[in-house]
Amino acid sequence: GENVEQHPSTLSVQEGDSAVIKCTYSDSASNYFPWYKQELGKRPQLIIDIRSNVGEKKDQRIAVTLNKTAKHFSLHITETQPEDSAVYFCAANWEIGGFKTIFGAGTRLFVKA
Amino acid sequence: DTEVTQTPKHLVMGMTNKKSLKCEQHMGHRAMYWYKQKAKKPPELMFVYSYEKLSINESVPSRFSPECPNSSLLNLHLHALQPEDSALYLCASSQARENTEAFFGQGTRLTVV
Repeated sequence: GENVEQHPSTLSVQEGDSAVIKCTYSDSASNYFPWYKQELGKRPQLIIDIRSNVGEKKDQRIAVTLNKTAKHFSLHITETQPEDSAVYFCAANWEIGGFKTIFGAGTRLFVKA
Repeated sequence: DTEVTQTPKHLVMGMTNKKSLKCEQHMGHRAMYWYKQKAKKPPELMFVYSYEKLSINESVPSRFSPECPNSSLLNLHLHALQPEDSALYLCASSQARENTEAFFGQGTRLTVV
């Protein structure tokens, strides 16, 4: 069945350093890969997404790369700030009758000031 | 308006009670979703509605009964729940096509006693 694996489960960095989170997905039919940030007690919010016809996308300090052949995609956060501390979820989206999004297990990012 | 609104925010119910969770959006989205999220876990897809028709049921127990009365509203009817059903229930909506962002509501935190 469909599956998304995410690593690491916890990541601690010093303010100003970069953070990288990696995901793999199982179903080659997936064409859309969103990344969500969820702060404690709040809803998941989209921070960046990438579609299968693109290899890389950047938005200020956040970038995502996609390798469709290897079924890997990664989130890169540069110049991290304490407010980046949250849980980050990668996800993959399929159309199977309806539109199905499966989430990775999440990465808890701590940015130390 | 880019909001998905869920009510109530918190709900405590007994195992013999019947209650309903409500979700509303006015973004013209024709796909709506219910997710369940346990603490420190990712959102887990329960149901997908596309054009007000149930298109995906992820083998959810029948004590959870979804309903989509119109294109703006999504309900989740609860009956005879178990304590292990306590979780954050998230509603989301998106355009009914591939490769499109899902917007999440703030969730209903459900406690079954």
